[in-house]
Amino acid sequence: KNQVEQSPQSLIILEGKNCTLQCNYTVSPFSNLRWYKQDTGRGPVSLTIMTFSENTKSNGRYTATLDADTKQSSLHITASQLSDSASYICVVSADTGFQKLVFGTGTRLLVSP
Amino acid sequence: SQTIHQWPATLVQPVGSPLSLECTVEGTSNPNLYWYRQAAGRGLQLLFYSVGIGQISSEVPQNLSASRPQDRQFILSSKKLLLSDSGFYLCAWSLSPRGGSYEQYFGPGTRLTVT
Repeated sequence: KNQVEQSPQSLIILEGKNCTLQCNYTVSPFSNLRWYKQDTGRGPVSLTIMTFSENTKSNGRYTATLDADTKQSSLHITASQLSDSASYICVVSADTGFQKLVFGTGTRLLVSP
Repeated sequence: SQTIHQWPATLVQPVGSPLSLECTVEGTSNPNLYWYRQAAGRGLQLLFYSVGIGQISSEVPQNLSASRPQDRQFILSSKKLLLSDSGFYLCAWSLSPRGGSYEQYFGPGTRLTVT
């Protein structure tokens, strides 16, 4: 069964600190992995997309890594800001010939002043 | 640039009442369109997707239906709502009729509460 699991479920960090969110997946055949940021009550917004051959990709203070062998990904946030408070969702696309996405349940991050 | 609209933003409906949620996309042609539901504490679940006018694929059997009367319009409907239909409904669009790394862009969502 295709699944995406994220940890931790929730996280509280102080403003300015770094944090790392984890994602494990069992989606096959693998096409790509995405990280989305979702503010409360809003639609998700894409942060990064990585294919099988990409090990790391950055978007400003966000850096995603991918280990296709162990089927793990991480999202590292550097120098956190209050606006980083949101849910971060790991999403894996299966290569079924159509863009069907398998969503994790997300990590809820709270950055406190 | 492309934009995606959903309405209404919030909706409170009694059990057994009908439902109609609308999604429109601007600035692109022949997009793939998707309806997702996000229940509290759960990941997004794909409900329907469409690769063209009148072409609807259902992912989860339920009392919901979808229609695509125009190229950039996607409608989610129900004849009789259930309590379990409560959730956050998201519409999304993407380029490319087949796989690949094309981005999916999400709308602002509709919060549906069935009472």
